[in-house]
Amino acid sequence: GAVVSQHPSWVICKSGTSVKIECRSLDFQATTMFWYRQFPKQSLMLMATSNEGSKATYEQGVEKDKFLINHASLTLSTLTVTSAHPEDSSFYICSARRQDNTGELFFGEGSRLTVL
Amino acid sequence: AQSVTQPDIHITVSEGASLELRCNYSYGATPYLFWYVQSPGQGLQLLLKYFSGDTLVQGIKGFEAEFKRSQSSFNLRKPSVHWSDAAEYFCAVGAGGNTGKLIFGQGTTLQVKP
Repeated sequence: GAVVSQHPSWVICKSGTSVKIECRSLDFQATTMFWYRQFPKQSLMLMATSNEGSKATYEQGVEKDKFLINHASLTLSTLTVTSAHPEDSSFYICSARRQDNTGELFFGEGSRLTVL
Repeated sequence: AQSVTQPDIHITVSEGASLELRCNYSYGATPYLFWYVQSPGQGLQLLLKYFSGDTLVQGIKGFEAEFKRSQSSFNLRKPSVHWSDAAEYFCAVGAGGNTGKLIFGQGTTLQVKP
């Protein structure tokens, strides 16, 4: 089946630094990718929709300057958490929508961010 | 507004017993419905989905789900649970149709007793 890979799987950073998380569709092209945030033992909350070649669409309440999303190619979207703080610690999961008539959706393995 | 409710936060069943996880949705049009499973620290794996047609949907790992429009439900079932089924289960509805944008329920943690 199709594979979506996230990197890094986990990252620890100091407060105030920025962290970039990559989401790659390894064997298909994805014009649309989605970024979710999951707190421990909670559900996934959609943060933004990442569209290749255009600006991301953010959900209400998500700070676009805090969570920078770039979708520079059909196989890569990046989420940068800028000036990270401990409250940004979370599990970030991406999904990629296959660019064909199936529109199938595949999820990455997630990236755990811990901000000290 | 679109929403998904999973009434059971935690369920424990014995291995070999049957399982039903409940999911209720709120959506104005015909919903696109999904069930995903998440193992600890992992991403999500699609178990099954409903877009249209037969309201009883077969998925992977022996799971099935039935779409009942009158009850706004999409409950997940398995006739005989295996210890490896212990995980977190999420029901989701496609926001805005089949756009790939999903709204998730709160999740149900399944524990399997030997």
